[in-house]
Amino acid sequence: AQSVTQPDIHITVSEGASLELRCNYSYGATPYLFWYVQSPGQGLQLLLKYFSGDTLVQGIKGFEAEFKRSQSSFNLRKPSVHWSDAAEYFCAVGARNTGFQKLVFGTGTRLLVSP
Amino acid sequence: NAGVTQTPKFQVLKTGQSMTLQCAQDMNHNSMYWYRQDPGMGLRLIYYSASEGTTDKGEVPNGYNVSRLNKREFSLRLESAAPSQTSVYFCASRGSGLNNRNLAKNIQYFGAGTRLSVL
Repeated sequence: AQSVTQPDIHITVSEGASLELRCNYSYGATPYLFWYVQSPGQGLQLLLKYFSGDTLVQGIKGFEAEFKRSQSSFNLRKPSVHWSDAAEYFCAVGARNTGFQKLVFGTGTRLLVSP
Repeated sequence: NAGVTQTPKFQVLKTGQSMTLQCAQDMNHNSMYWYRQDPGMGLRLIYYSASEGTTDKGEVPNGYNVSRLNKREFSLRLESAAPSQTSVYFCASRGSGLNNRNLAKNIQYFGAGTRLSVL
């Protein structure tokens, strides 16, 4: 069964600074990988996804993530953080052999943006 | 642009009471899901429905029942609520796309959530 680890519960970044949120997964084959963002009181919105091909994927709001098979990682990055990026971020892995039916989510990383 | 709609947004129950959380999607998706979100635990799958007429247990199904009423609607029922069911509940839906034919559809879209407190 697949699993996801987001080692950072909270991260504080200054506005304008770069950001990297870590995600490590466990799965026996190449997984499907996702990053979702949740603003306070809201549902989850997809930022980006990796299914196959180019290991550097671009998402919405200026985010990108890189799939590194050797490290079982799918870290999320943004070169310059804006105050509106303050939210909770979830990494998720989907297993290919279930027809993409189920996602397993990490425990989330809460991003705080300081002025 | 309704997407996935959940009702109610908030609910307070007493232990032992029952209630049904409603979810409807207007994207003609085949698959629907119910998750619960608890602090420090991320989202955990309660039940899912791969298509109309089918339901399956997820990671934490105990204490819940579901009904896939039709293609649009997927409800979650708590027959006898317990304080441990205090949580935020999210419904999601996903379009089909088996065999890699249309990967763009293999994304789960989430509702805004129902915040449930059981006293």
